Amino acid sequence: ELKVEQNPLFLSMQEGKNYTIYCNYSTTSDRLYWYRQDPGKSLESLFVLLSNGAVKQEGRLMASLDTKARLSTLHITAAVHDLSATYFCAVVVWGAQKLVFGQGTRLTINP
Amino acid sequence: GAGVSQSPSNKVTEKGKDVELRCDPISGHTALYWYRQRLGQGLEFLIYFQGNSAPDKSGLPSDRFSAERTGESVSTLTIQRTQQEDSAVYLCASSFWGLGDNEQFFGPGTRLTVL
Repeated sequence: ELKVEQNPLFLSMQEGKNYTIYCNYSTTSDRLYWYRQDPGKSLESLFVLLSNGAVKQEGRLMASLDTKARLSTLHITAAVHDLSATYFCAVVVWGAQKLVFGQGTRLTINP
Repeated sequence: GAGVSQSPSNKVTEKGKDVELRCDPISGHTALYWYRQRLGQGLEFLIYFQGNSAPDKSGLPSDRFSAERTGESVSTLTIQRTQQEDSAVYLCASSFWGLGDNEQFFGPGTRLTVL
């Protein structure tokens, strides 16, 4: 059974700092997604990572995937308050289409 | 274009009542998914539909839960004899199943409260 674990689950940081959220998964998969969720809102897609070594960047966020280590990272550079949200990674079950989600990382960025 | 829409946005019901939740996927998307999100938690897969194939119901938590989809359009998730533990946000997503990343696009969700 595919399990997805994120850490940390809660992260409070100051504006201007850098930090990394980690997403580990337990079995082989060929796709990993990162989503953002604001309070009371639905999920917004951030990145789709399809292959080993994939790296994608959008603004202050950068995501990478290491399929051999079954690890993805979401790196935040010079954080700003607007990035405060809950971030989820989700992994596609091999041979199927359903997503298994991590528990989410609640990120709070303080001025 | 229009995204995934869900209705109602909020539903309050009494324990033991049946509820129906509706999802309208993005036009042209062949796959449709239902997930449940309990307060402060991640999403749990419930069921997905792909074209005319038999749906994957492996995530449905009990036989009180069922879902239908009409062709490649609207889907309804039905919960019979609701229990308090069914309280959650129910999210629908759709994707185009084909070449590419099959990215799932999520609707705004239905917040279900069972009293």
